[in-house]
Amino acid sequence: GENVEQHPSTLSVQEGDSAVIKCTYSDSASNYFPWYKQELGKGPQLIIDIRSNVGEKKDQRIAVTLNKTAKHFSLHITETQPEDSAVYFCAADSGGGADGLTFGKGTHLIIQP
Amino acid sequence: NAGVTQTPKFQVLKTGQSMTLQCAQDMNHEYMSWYRQDPGMGLRLIHYSVGAGITDQGEVPNGYNVSRSTTEDFPLRLLSAAPSQTSVYFCASSYSNRWDEQFFGPGTRLTVL
Repeated sequence: GENVEQHPSTLSVQEGDSAVIKCTYSDSASNYFPWYKQELGKGPQLIIDIRSNVGEKKDQRIAVTLNKTAKHFSLHITETQPEDSAVYFCAADSGGGADGLTFGKGTHLIIQP
Repeated sequence: NAGVTQTPKFQVLKTGQSMTLQCAQDMNHEYMSWYRQDPGMGLRLIHYSVGAGITDQGEVPNGYNVSRSTTEDFPLRLLSAAPSQTSVYFCASSYSNRWDEQFFGPGTRLTVL
């Protein structure tokens, strides 16, 4: 089955700086790569996603890049703000058969004032 | 719309007890799923359903049952609770499949003593 590795587990950046979270996946048949943000005590919420026919996607301060050859994708947050502090999860669809998403273990992003 | 609702928010069980975690959505979504979230483990798929009357197993289905008699409801049953099932459980729904945005409920925190 699919295996998704996410790094780092904790990331601390100064307010206004950029943050980058990286994920790798194992199943070359995977085609869909969403990113979810989870605030304390809440369920995860989709912030951006990318499909395998696209190499990069942007939405204001958030961008995601995908390298299918290397089987890795990254989340980039620019001009970080205090409200960006949360746990971020990458995920990949199960590609070649089983239904569902496989999630990474999460990155705790801390924005230092 | 209330979105995805889960009850109860918190539950404490003794080993061997059974219970049902409730999940409902009012968005007319076909696809619903259950995840468990453990510290340092991310979210792992337990069971999912692509429509009323259809369910299938995810990554960690042992010890759990599900049914989908209506589009709106997707209860998760623990037949004989074990301490290893102590976790936070999230229900999610999406329009048609795993490639659509997943809307997560607020979660149920379960402790098995």
